[in-house]
Parts: sequence; C-alpha cells; structure tokens
Amino acid sequence: EAGVAQSPRYKIIEKRQSVAFWCNPISGHATLYWYQQILGQGPKLLIQFQNNGVVDDSQLPKDRFSAERLKGVDSTLKIQPAKLEDSAVYLCASSSGLAGGYYNEQFFGPGTRLTVL
Amino acid sequence: EDQVTQSPEALRLQEGESSSLNCSYTVSGLRGLFWYRQDPGKGPEFLFTLYSAGEEKEKERLKATLTKKESFLHITAPKPEDSATYLCAVQATGTYKYIFGTGTRLKVLA
Repeated sequence: EAGVAQSPRYKIIEKRQSVAFWCNPISGHATLYWYQQILGQGPKLLIQFQNNGVVDDSQLPKDRFSAERLKGVDSTLKIQPAKLEDSAVYLCASSSGLAGGYYNEQFFGPGTRLTVL
Repeated sequence: EDQVTQSPEALRLQEGESSSLNCSYTVSGLRGLFWYRQDPGKGPEFLFTLYSAGEEKEKERLKATLTKKESFLHITAPKPEDSATYLCAVQATGTYKYIFGTGTRLKVLA
C-alpha cells in the first residue's frame, strides 16, 4: 500500500512570496490533515478535511493560509504572503476513520521543509 | 483548556536499560490517545491507539498504558534503533480537536 505523498520536500522562499504544497493521501482515506511542525515542537493541526469538506480550520491563519481538497482526494496548502515565522515542516496525514470518530490513527507523509528568508 | 504534556523532554539510556515516557493530558472528554514515533527528517509513524483507562497495547519492546489522566510508554531493553522522538496525541470527544505534545527525544547508546 502506497503511503502519503507530499511535494516538494524542500522549499526556500523570500518573505512576502507565495508557496504551495501538495499532498496525495492513502487511497480510500476519507480524512486528511495538514499540520505545521516548528523545530523542537509537536505538530500543530492547521486544517482537517473529511472527503472534500472542511471540518475544522480553527487554527489556520486564514489571512495568509488557504487549503483545498478537490474531489475528496489530493489537497493543496498555500501560504500568501509568507512570513519569517512560517518557517517549519508542513506535514500532511490521512486516516480511514471519519473526522471526530474512532479509528483515527493517522498516517503521515514525509513533510515539506519550508524556509522563509 | 485542553492540553498534552510530555516528560521528560529528553532521555538518554544505555542499551538494555528499561524506562518509561510520560504523557499527561487534560481534555473535556477523551476519544483516543495516540503514540507516534518520529525519526529525524521524517513524518510521525503510528504506534498505538488507546481508548479507555486500563487499556494496554504492546509492540516488540514497547508497551503503552492509559489511565484517566496520563499514558505511559514503557520501553523494555531498548536498542540503539529505538532512538527517536516519541509523540503523544489526544483526540477529544465532541470536537475535531487533535492535540500533540512536544515529544520526548530518546537516545539509546550502544
């Protein structure tokens, strides 16, 4: 079974530029998550999708971050414009269980390391 | 406020020296508690899910236990390949919240 795919693996941008990350979850997984992990910290949930609908985006900085999951499969996360404090690893995860329910062990991709200069 | 606290922040063990990692949590209601392992430069890897107090799960040298306030990850006779950051996360009932702790960095010396 193929795992969660993410691209790019690394990205370096200047502040105020835009950047987009892509995620392809495990086939058949209904729930998809985007996390931000700052060095030395645990992952922080940014947004959670069930199929192609958003079920929680309470910690997403909506003035600069946006995400979509078209057709309930792959997803993109965008930052526009980027700030220095956005430097982090952006992790995508998926789970077979429904959002808020049981069986929500998550399977993570390798992440995208973003450096904002 | 819902939160997850892990201790210690870092732990160095000699190969074969057993120990335990702690995850204490405060949530309005617990749907599930999850343990993950994260190697440098990689995403977290799922280890265990615990749903109710008294539950225990085992996998090779690892054993996870759960009480109403905390979970322990016991590592028996660790090997250098067990070196990693171990993350605990909780899912609260009635919400879609999924909260991670900051992790315990484990180093096992040969």
